[in-house]
Amino acid sequence: DGGITQSPKYLFRKEGQNVTLSCEQNLNHDAMYWYRQDPGQGLRLIYYSQIVNDFQKGDIAEGYSVSREKKESFPLTVTSAQKNPTAFYLCASSMGLARTDTQYFGPGTRLTVL
Amino acid sequence: QQPVQSPQAVILREGEDAVINCSSSKALYSVHWYRQKHGEAPVFLMILLKGGEQKGHDKISASFNEKKQQSSLYLTASQLSYSGTYFCGTGSGSARQLTFGSGTQLTVLP
Repeated sequence: DGGITQSPKYLFRKEGQNVTLSCEQNLNHDAMYWYRQDPGQGLRLIYYSQIVNDFQKGDIAEGYSVSREKKESFPLTVTSAQKNPTAFYLCASSMGLARTDTQYFGPGTRLTVL
Repeated sequence: QQPVQSPQAVILREGEDAVINCSSSKALYSVHWYRQKHGEAPVFLMILLKGGEQKGHDKISASFNEKKQQSSLYLTASQLSYSGTYFCGTGSGSARQLTFGSGTQLTVLP
């Protein structure tokens, strides 16, 4: 079955720690995205990538970092510089970056900072 | 700039109809509609492109009014399974990524 997987489903972090969220897709999509969702809010774009070894900042990139070493994988690191990291994080992928390309979402990771 | 969705929330009885609107201050090229159940991933419903088309499947349809820079999602004879938060994602201007609205929470009661 083709799809997007994210792990872990729930993640707890102490203040001052970096954590990495995993995102893998087997849809053979070129583009991948990371979004943050806060309660009652829409999706805000953190980073996106069109091809391997290339990625762009979204609207709220501060305190986050990403890598794209493989087409299938787009991990997100939440660094200690992120002031308020508790949120629901969604990874998505699409065939390309065209405005007509449908984005498909993974099941999400809920991060809580203790 | 984020598209504006209205209403923010709506409560229906099974079998009733609902309309959700998504408006942008920028010229729209595309509108993508998603439904999200609590704690789950958004699920793609449909995409509408510039040209004022209307699309639909089953009892959910949508329209795109290019003049008003607005899209509307129509849910007809709602079912319990329609409950969730509906988001629109808009492609506009020169931006290559979508911008999402804050969502409309739809609750369908028996």
